[in-house]
Amino acid sequence: EIVMTQSPATLSVSPGERATLSCRASQTVSSNLAWYQQKPGQAPRLLIYGASTRAPGIPARFSGSGSGTEFTLTISSLQSEDFAVYYCHQYNNWPPYSFGQGTKLDIK
Amino acid sequence: EVQLVESGGGLVQPGGSLRLSCAASGFSFSTYNMHWVRQAPGKGLEGISYINIRSSTTYYVDSVKGRFTISRDNAKNSLYLQMNNLRAEDTAVYYCARDSARYSYLDYWGQGTVVIVSS
Repeated sequence: EIVMTQSPATLSVSPGERATLSCRASQTVSSNLAWYQQKPGQAPRLLIYGASTRAPGIPARFSGSGSGTEFTLTISSLQSEDFAVYYCHQYNNWPPYSFGQGTKLDIK
Repeated sequence: EVQLVESGGGLVQPGGSLRLSCAASGFSFSTYNMHWVRQAPGKGLEGISYINIRSSTTYYVDSVKGRFTISRDNAKNSLYLQMNNLRAEDTAVYYCARDSARYSYLDYWGQGTVVIVSS
């Protein structure tokens, strides 16, 4: 089973600043890594797949990078609507499912 | 527009049963694999079940194996989750999600339905 570890658990950033979220896999997942955004009371929404490809309609300020075991989600200039919980998800080797535990992005 | 709408959640006693439904529209349901993912209160995402387009392959996480059954009706554009012998730890929001066409990331999610297991 592949374990996904996200860091930090909580990240406090001011609007307009850059946020960098990390996700590490316990073994290689190639580029088969997705990121989801979840706002309070809402369903998750796909942001990034293939480690770096934005899903349709996702603003360019969201970018993903990495391969193998180390991945990063960067939000270049935080908007108020970006404060949410972010989950990574590897789909290279499943079942079982492998989601990270989430990073909560807070307003500083 | 792709839409997934779950229903069937509610309050049930331990040991009881519920059947969740997910109505799909805006895409060719019969050509997509589907998933159920749940989220316990204040917790992260947990993938619990999967079904392929022909219902020939299913998957269950160990914690629900033998108690939950996933199914689909392609003629009705619907996905189901029959949940039996419910436990307190099954309390969660249950989401249906569409599998992407080529890989198994989840490209569309429903709004979720709440299941509370309590006496």
